[in-house]
Amino acid sequence: AQSVAQPEDQVNVAEGNPLTVKCTYSVSGNPYLFWYVQYPNRGLQFLLKYITGDNLVKGSYGFEAEFNKSQTSFHLKKPSALVSDSALYFCAVRYNFNKFYFGSGTKLNVKP
Amino acid sequence: DAGITQSPRYKITETGRQVTLMCHQTWSHSYMFWYRQDLGHGLRLIYYSAAADITDKGEVPDGYVVSRSKTENFPLTLESATRSQTSVYFCASRTSGGQGTDTQYFGPGTRLTVL
Repeated sequence: AQSVAQPEDQVNVAEGNPLTVKCTYSVSGNPYLFWYVQYPNRGLQFLLKYITGDNLVKGSYGFEAEFNKSQTSFHLKKPSALVSDSALYFCAVRYNFNKFYFGSGTKLNVKP
Repeated sequence: DAGITQSPRYKITETGRQVTLMCHQTWSHSYMFWYRQDLGHGLRLIYYSAAADITDKGEVPDGYVVSRSKTENFPLTLESATRSQTSVYFCASRTSGGQGTDTQYFGPGTRLTVL
């Protein structure tokens, strides 16, 4: 079965420190993986995606994600967190042409 | 304004009533989607549409009806609302290319409360 797991409901980090939001996946075939961010009272915004190629994917707002096939992970990272990065982050995997399975979300809190 | 819009943004209704949530996009995207967002579940796909007059079920379609007579509109109807349908509903759209790898663009959401 296709699935995505975000093991942490919440991640707390100090401004200026590196951040990691974890995601693991289970999918048959080649995984197409996505990260989205949701700010309060807003819809989801696309951050980045992995389709094929380089395992390190760079996205919007300085975020990047590392695809690790052996660990079936797709962790979101940023070298230096900003208070404005505080939001809800969702990992998603495509499991057929039109269907995406979203993780339960991780709330990122960046403190000044 | 260009983009994807949803209306209403907030709705309170009673059990048993019919409710329709509207979604409109100005990009002429072929694909449109309806999701519901519940605490602890992330987003779950209710229905999607590949083009006008083509719709298909997602993960949680029971209790919902969709139609798509025009490319730009994709209304979601709760024929007889239940309390379990209290949720935040998001509409999304994407282009038709890329074997499903294209980015989905989301509307701002509709917060529905069923009393």
